[in-house]
Amino acid sequence: DGGITQSPKYLFRKEGQNVTLSCEQNLNHDAMYWYRQDPGQGLRLIYYSQIVNDFQKGDIAEGYSVSREKKESFPLTVTSAQKNPTAFYLCASSNEPGLAEETQYFGPGTRLLVL
Amino acid sequence: GDSVTQMEGPVTLSEEAFLTINCTYTATGYPSLFWYVQYPGEGLQLLLKATKADDKGSNKGFEATYRKETTSFHLEKGSVQVSDSAVYFCALSDRGSTLGRLYFGRGTQLTVWP
Repeated sequence: DGGITQSPKYLFRKEGQNVTLSCEQNLNHDAMYWYRQDPGQGLRLIYYSQIVNDFQKGDIAEGYSVSREKKESFPLTVTSAQKNPTAFYLCASSNEPGLAEETQYFGPGTRLLVL
Repeated sequence: GDSVTQMEGPVTLSEEAFLTINCTYTATGYPSLFWYVQYPGEGLQLLLKATKADDKGSNKGFEATYRKETTSFHLEKGSVQVSDSAVYFCALSDRGSTLGRLYFGRGTQLTVWP
């Protein structure tokens, strides 16, 4: 089955700790995205990557970092600089970025909680 | 800049009622429009999309028509079911930008009672 997997489903972070959220896709998509979702809010873009070894900041990149060493993988690190990390994190990938037929497909999400 | 405004919820309906969730947009280019659905504790699933003016997207009994003159993409369903209870997000992708990033509305919670 083709799709996007995210792990873990739940993640707990202690004060001052960096944590990494995994996102893997086997859809052969070039573009990948990370969004943050807070209750009652729409999704906000953290980082995105159009191709391997390239990524760009989204609207709320402060306190987050990413890497894109492989086409299938786009891990997100929530650093200690992110003061309010509790949220639901969604990874997405898309075909044909920037074209009319582009569609983003989402993973099941990771819920991050601060201890 | 690009943005999406959708009606605030929650929306509560009885089974078999007619559903409309309003969505209007602002875009600088030539957007594609989407409706996504999110069930509790899950990621977003694409419900339907339209890529140009007057296109109608449809799926699972849901429909939305891309209206350029009113900058709208309202979601409708003629007869809702309990299983339609979820949060619905309207989104646009502006192809005028270098990357077709998505701009989301805040989401509308739908609850359907039997």
